[in-house]
Amino acid sequence: QIQLVQSGPELKKPGESVKISCKASGYTFTDYAMHWVKQVPGKGLKWMGWINTYTGKPTYADDFKGRFVFSLEASASTANLQISNLKNEDTANVFCARGDRYNPHVMDAWGQGASVTVSS
Amino acid sequence: DIQMTQSPSSMSASLGDTVTITCLASQDIGNYLSWYQQKPGKSPKLMIYGATNLEDGVPSRFSGSRSGSDYSLTINSLGYDDEGIYHCHQYYEYPLTFGSGTKLEIK
Repeated sequence: QIQLVQSGPELKKPGESVKISCKASGYTFTDYAMHWVKQVPGKGLKWMGWINTYTGKPTYADDFKGRFVFSLEASASTANLQISNLKNEDTANVFCARGDRYNPHVMDAWGQGASVTVSS
Repeated sequence: DIQMTQSPSSMSASLGDTVTITCLASQDIGNYLSWYQQKPGKSPKLMIYGATNLEDGVPSRFSGSRSGSDYSLTINSLGYDDEGIYHCHQYYEYPLTFGSGTKLEIK
């Protein structure tokens, strides 16, 4: 069955970096897009961007340009999100979500979420 | 950015009731609208895409509709398992945006 398994919770200080991984299984990784979505606890969902897993081309929402990098380890069916120069406002759950094969911006499978806490 | 105004923000309904949640798009998004269900501490689950299409495995008690820029999610014959937060999502253009969510409680 389709699974997206994300890395574990992270506790970081402001200014540090973090890398979140999302390992896919149960389907051909490069046939489907991968999105990243942020959720501050108790709040709504915010789209961070997506990466074309076939070409490796990332697209970032404006609020996530500069400190955020999407990358792939295609041989390991893994998508990564790196956040540098962490700020308190980066504290959130971050989800990876697969884009449907024919509607790549419809997110038809989600990871369990990775908690990022930024605190001095 | 396209704003998705979702209402109500929360609601309470009884077992067996029918409820409707709505999203108003700030500009034309065609049928590029999906609905997600999120239970506490869990990740969202796709319920409806293309405004009206039921995702595989989702009970037929769920349905989506559109009237102009108003999009609705209707749930018939409410059960306890339907409790959660429902999010609408437009994927017509970047940045993709979500509504603020509707918390549904079953009395």
